[in-house]
Amino acid sequence: DAGVIQSPRHEVTEMGQEVTLRCKPISGHDYLFWYRQTMMQGLELLVYFNNKAVMDDSGMPKDRFSAKMPNASFSTLKIQPSEPRDSAVYFCASSVDSTIEQYFGPGTRLTVT
Amino acid sequence: SQQGEEDPQALSIQEGENATMNCSYKTSINNLQWYRQNSGRGLVHLILIRSNEREKHSGRLRVTLDTSKKSSSLLITASRAADTASYFCATVPNSGGSNYKLTFGKGTLLTVNP
Repeated sequence: DAGVIQSPRHEVTEMGQEVTLRCKPISGHDYLFWYRQTMMQGLELLVYFNNKAVMDDSGMPKDRFSAKMPNASFSTLKIQPSEPRDSAVYFCASSVDSTIEQYFGPGTRLTVT
Repeated sequence: SQQGEEDPQALSIQEGENATMNCSYKTSINNLQWYRQNSGRGLVHLILIRSNEREKHSGRLRVTLDTSKKSSSLLITASRAADTASYFCATVPNSGGSNYKLTFGKGTLLTVNP
């Protein structure tokens, strides 16, 4: 299996622009998680899905962030408009259950200038 | 908010030595997991220990869990330069509801010097 796939790996954009991050989970994993990692805050859960439905998005700033999972093999995290404070590494992870091990993708390093 | 807190924040040892990292948490848990993150990479799951277990081994890794003290430790024996990474503990709450999710600590940066 190829593991969790994320794209792009690096994104540099200007403040105010729209950014879309993409994730392909491991086949057969019903749970998909989006995390953000910064030096200051560490690893934060933004949102997670079970069978394509949002289970918890309490960690996601909803005024500018949106997450979708249109099918079992694809998810997007969109930021519009982006701000410098959104600069971070964004990880996607998948799992067969929310309580056991999660498999992380390589991450997308986002820089907003 | 962070549930788990690792200690120390950074640890530097020589190859061949053992490395011990600790994790403390605040609320009752279903399980506790340890992950490793190499620089510039995603996290990799190492081991899961359930609340009714006290010790677990996997290769050179040994994890203990003390639910009365709300703490866990990760021991890496005979460390190698390739073990250089950040190590995170993550907890799943025992909330009794269906909304279980991992909460990560801020990690311990382990440097193993050749």
